[in-house]
Amino acid sequence: GENVEQHPSTLSVQEGDSAVIKCTYSDSASNYFPWYKQELGKGPQLIIDIRSNVGEKKDQRIAVTLNKTAKHFSLHITETQPEDSAVYFCAASNPQTGANNLFFGTGTRLTVIP
Amino acid sequence: DAGITQSPRHKVTETGTPVTLRCHQTENHRYMYWYRQDPGHGLRLIHYSYGVKDTDKGEVSDGYSVSRSKTEDFLLTLESATSSQTSVYFCAISESDGLVQYFGPGTRLTVT
Repeated sequence: GENVEQHPSTLSVQEGDSAVIKCTYSDSASNYFPWYKQELGKGPQLIIDIRSNVGEKKDQRIAVTLNKTAKHFSLHITETQPEDSAVYFCAASNPQTGANNLFFGTGTRLTVIP
Repeated sequence: DAGITQSPRHKVTETGTPVTLRCHQTENHRYMYWYRQDPGHGLRLIHYSYGVKDTDKGEVSDGYSVSRSKTEDFLLTLESATSSQTSVYFCAISESDGLVQYFGPGTRLTVT
C-alpha cells in the first residue's frame, strides 16, 4: 500500500511568519492529496486539496504545492495567526486500492506564538 | 462536521465485551469510512462502504466488522474488545468520487 511520511512532527512559529509542512509518498499512482486541520477534541477538517494534474493551488493564506517527479507535496501557511494552531495531516489517495482510500501522514503540531 | 454524527462520543468498556459504534449522516453520500486515530500513526482506515450492504476491508480491519443497512447509517462492531482497540474512532463520508472525505466528531473508546 501507500506510505506517507510527514515532517516536521512539531513546528512553532511567531505570529505573522510563514509555516511549511512537507509530505512524501511512495506510490507514483497516487493522484489526490488533501490536507486536514484538526483542533483539539474535534474531527479532521479538510482545508485544501490538490490533484495530480496541477502543481500548485492557493486559497487565501493557504497553498499546496505538488512535485510528482519527486513524490512530495507541501502545505504553506502565510501570515500565521494564533487560530492556525492545530495538528495538520497530509494524505494521499491511490485509486488502485479501492474506493480511493486515503493514507495519512502522522501529523504536524503547529503552534503559532502571539 | 458536514452532517455527520457519531454515537456514543465517549465509551469505556471492559476487555472481551462487544461494542458497537454508530455513524449517521444526513448528506446522502455514497461512501462511508471508519478510521482509528492513534498517537504516532495518524489515521488508519478500518473498513469502508461504497453503498448499502457493500463494504470492504481497510488497512487495519482485524477484530472489527461493519454493517450498512441504510444509506445514512454505518455501524462499526468490535466483537470482543481488546486493550489494543483503545483509540479515537472517526467516521467519514464522501460523495460520488470517494476522494473528498469529510469527518465526524469522533468517538473516544477506552478498553480496560
